[in-house]
Amino acid sequence: EAGVTQFPSHSVIEKGQTVTLRCDPISGHDNLYWYRRVMGKEIKFLLHFVKESKQDESGMPNNRFLAERTGGTYSTLKVQPAELEDSGVYFCASSQGSPGRAGVGNTQYFGPGTRLTVL
Amino acid sequence: GENVEQHPSTLSVQEGDSAVIKCTYSDSASNYFPWYKQELGKRPQLIIDIRSNVGEKKDQRIAVTLNKTAKHFSLHITETQPEDSAVYFCAASIRSGGSYIPTFGRGTSLIVHP
Repeated sequence: EAGVTQFPSHSVIEKGQTVTLRCDPISGHDNLYWYRRVMGKEIKFLLHFVKESKQDESGMPNNRFLAERTGGTYSTLKVQPAELEDSGVYFCASSQGSPGRAGVGNTQYFGPGTRLTVL
Repeated sequence: GENVEQHPSTLSVQEGDSAVIKCTYSDSASNYFPWYKQELGKRPQLIIDIRSNVGEKKDQRIAVTLNKTAKHFSLHITETQPEDSAVYFCAASIRSGGSYIPTFGRGTSLIVHP
């Protein structure tokens, strides 16, 4: 079974530019999550999709960030315009059910991350 | 909101020794506590988790303990091996219905010397 994939693996852009990150969850996983880790700090929750709907987007830092999951399959996270503080590693994760519920099918699987550097 | 503190930030042990990583959380409503391991250049992977109705859980050389009263939980690794070297993240979450919002600690870099 293929794992969660993310594209690109690295992105270097200048302040003010736009970047779009993509996440392909494990096939059949309704739940998709975006996280960000700024260097040396904790992994922070950004948002959670259930199929194509946003279950919770309370972690999105501001309106420069836009996440979509059209059709309930892959998801994109667009940053426009990018600022220096947006640099970090953006992780995507997916799960079949809700993590924390008993059952192997509810394990959350992470992607390899996209390292974003804003100069 | 929830706040998770993780200590130590770096832990260096000799192969065969035990390693303990501790986390505290602030929200008494948190009910699910996963631990992730991230090896260098790889993705975070769930290694063990515990729910609030359980005080301890073991899986071979790793174990997690939870003290709800004190609001802290710990990861214990026995008979450490070089391949245990990685960054370990704890998390606390309130799982309610379909919602899942974890708060992570800052991570502990574990180095196991052969």
